[in-house]
Amino acid sequence: EIVLTQSPGTLSLSPGERATLSCRASQSVSGGYLAWYQQKPGQAPRLLLYGASSRATGIPDRFSGSGSGTDFSLTISRLEPEDFAVYYCQQYDTSLTFGQGTRLEIK
Amino acid sequence: QVQLQESGPGLVKPSETLSLTCTVSGYSISSGYYWGWIRQPPGKGLEWIGSMYHGGSTYYNPSLKSRVTMSVDTSKNQFSLKLNSVTAADTAVYYCGRWYNSIWKYFDYWGQGTLVTVSS
Repeated sequence: EIVLTQSPGTLSLSPGERATLSCRASQSVSGGYLAWYQQKPGQAPRLLLYGASSRATGIPDRFSGSGSGTDFSLTISRLEPEDFAVYYCQQYDTSLTFGQGTRLEIK
Repeated sequence: QVQLQESGPGLVKPSETLSLTCTVSGYSISSGYYWGWIRQPPGKGLEWIGSMYHGGSTYYNPSLKSRVTMSVDTSKNQFSLKLNSVTAADTAVYYCGRWYNSIWKYFDYWGQGTLVTVSS
């Protein structure tokens, strides 16, 4: 089973700043099988990116993704107040796994 | 607009079977896509339970496979989860979702989630 490790565990930034979240896999992941989700308290996760870099429907272009192999990242170019949440990466190989999450909090 | 809604008992006794149903609206289950379950223990991360196609193809989390059964009822546009021999470790918010399983793999629609507590 592929283990996804997200870093940092918590990221403290201010609105307007740039955020970069990392997702590292224990084995190579097909980029097509890497997705990112945003979860706010009391809500279900929301799909942000799939195929490592393709934005889901309705996702603002300040969200972008990159990476290949074992190293992937999610970048939020300019933080809006509504972006402060927990972010998860997800992969599928022979099984589907999620990273442990990165909490993005207001500094 | 695709919508999913979980339903089922909020409290299950240890050693018994957890049973949940997901009702889908705005999309016919038999039109395609896979359908799956994900859970989240309180204050923790997400864990995939399994996914299935209306035609019967299933994928299960290896760590839960021995206890999980998933089924689909296309006449009601619902799919279901059964998890047997539950313990307190199975206490979680359970989400159902639509799983895109092709050149990409992701859950694009999620239910709001339902909390299931395992306790006597």
